[in-house]
Amino acid sequence: QVQLVQSGGEVKKPGASVKVSCKASGYTLSSHGITWVRQAPGQGLEWIGWIHGYSGNTKYAQNLQGRVTVTRDTSTNTAYMELRSLRSDDTAVYYCARGGRAAAYDSARYYGMDVWGQGTTVTVSS
Amino acid sequence: DIQMTQSPSSLSASVGDRVTITCRASQSMSTYLTWYQKKPGQAPRLLIYAASHLQSGVPSRFNGSGSGTDFTLTITSLQPEDSATYHCQQSYNDPWTFGQGTKVEI
Repeated sequence: QVQLVQSGGEVKKPGASVKVSCKASGYTLSSHGITWVRQAPGQGLEWIGWIHGYSGNTKYAQNLQGRVTVTRDTSTNTAYMELRSLRSDDTAVYYCARGGRAAAYDSARYYGMDVWGQGTTVTVSS
Repeated sequence: DIQMTQSPSSLSASVGDRVTITCRASQSMSTYLTWYQKKPGQAPRLLIYAASHLQSGVPSRFNGSGSGTDFTLTITSLQPEDSATYHCQQSYNDPWTFGQGTKVEI
């Protein structure tokens, strides 16, 4: 069974960092890209970034660039999203999702995100 | 950034009704348009990719159409389990952007 299992919820203070993990099972992480998306309370979905499962190449939302890093460890079939200098408006549910039918970015663009993690709640509060 | 505008923002319909949700892009984007269904406390579910292609396992009552700037998601015979928020998303340009969502109540 193909699934993505994310790490548990986090409570952080402003200025801290958080690292969310996303472990793939039922398929090899390097065969697909992974996209990260978040949803703040009462808000819509927001794209954070993407990582090529094989090469590790990344793309990020410009408004988060400099604060976010997406990585993957093919030996453990796990992707990670680290967000630094946390602010209260980073409070959200963070999702990882498998993109496309191949590792390439264009595959994710065309085929969408077909398998999602369960979500990780990150709360930023003093 | 490409702005995605969905309408309506919410609707109420009955079982068996035909429901149409519209998504308009601020610029032409070919067919790089995906529809997701989201229920509270659950992850989004992929329904339609490339504007009109039904994802495997998704009931055939879900239909997508459109290209350029105007796209439509139609549910031909609404079922109780379709109560959810529906989001369109463009992947034509970085950053990928989502519509604000359409809440469907039954």
